[in-house]
Amino acid sequence: KQEVTQIPAALSVPEGENLVLNCSFTDSAIYNLQWFRQDPGKGLTSLLLIQSSQREQTSGRLNASLDKSSGRSTLYIAASQPGDSATYLCAVGSGNTGKLIFGQGTTLQVKP
Amino acid sequence: NAGVTQTPKFQVLKTGQSMTLQCAQDMNHNSMYWYRQDPGMGLRLIYYSASEGTTDKGEVPNGYNVSRLNKREFSLRLESAAPSQTSVYFCASRDRGNNQPQHFGDGTRLSIL
Repeated sequence: KQEVTQIPAALSVPEGENLVLNCSFTDSAIYNLQWFRQDPGKGLTSLLLIQSSQREQTSGRLNASLDKSSGRSTLYIAASQPGDSATYLCAVGSGNTGKLIFGQGTTLQVKP
Repeated sequence: NAGVTQTPKFQVLKTGQSMTLQCAQDMNHNSMYWYRQDPGMGLRLIYYSASEGTTDKGEVPNGYNVSRLNKREFSLRLESAAPSQTSVYFCASRDRGNNQPQHFGDGTRLSIL
């Protein structure tokens, strides 16, 4: 059974820092891995999707990497801003039905 | 450009009452999903519909039923609500293709007393 873990559960950094969020999964037979952002009281917003054949994806200040063999993904946020404060969730897609298995998230606070 | 719309946004029920959560998407997506989000548990899949006319169980289907009414709408029904079903419920949709991202609604916050 696929299990997804995110460490740390919470992170607080000063504005301007570069930071890395971690996601690990137990079964390397995945279709893709998605990173989402969730603001308090809101739904999830898709940030990046990495296909199983890819090593990384970039969008603006965000860069996500995928290492299937070791069961790991990282989300790199460059030059963090207070507006980046949110919960970040990773999710593994393990079949062609699009079903996702989620980690529990990392809650990020960026202090001005 | 509404995306995925969920109604209602908030609801309080008494144990044993029934309720249907509504979800509609305007992106012509094939697949739709219902998740619940609980503190410390993350999001867990309840039911999904890979295409119009099909539905399948996810990780935590007990106590729920679903209907894919048409391509746009996917409803979740609680026949006899229990306090353990207090949660935030999210609906999502996805376009055809294995590597399409899921798009989420803003959720329904449901409390069962």
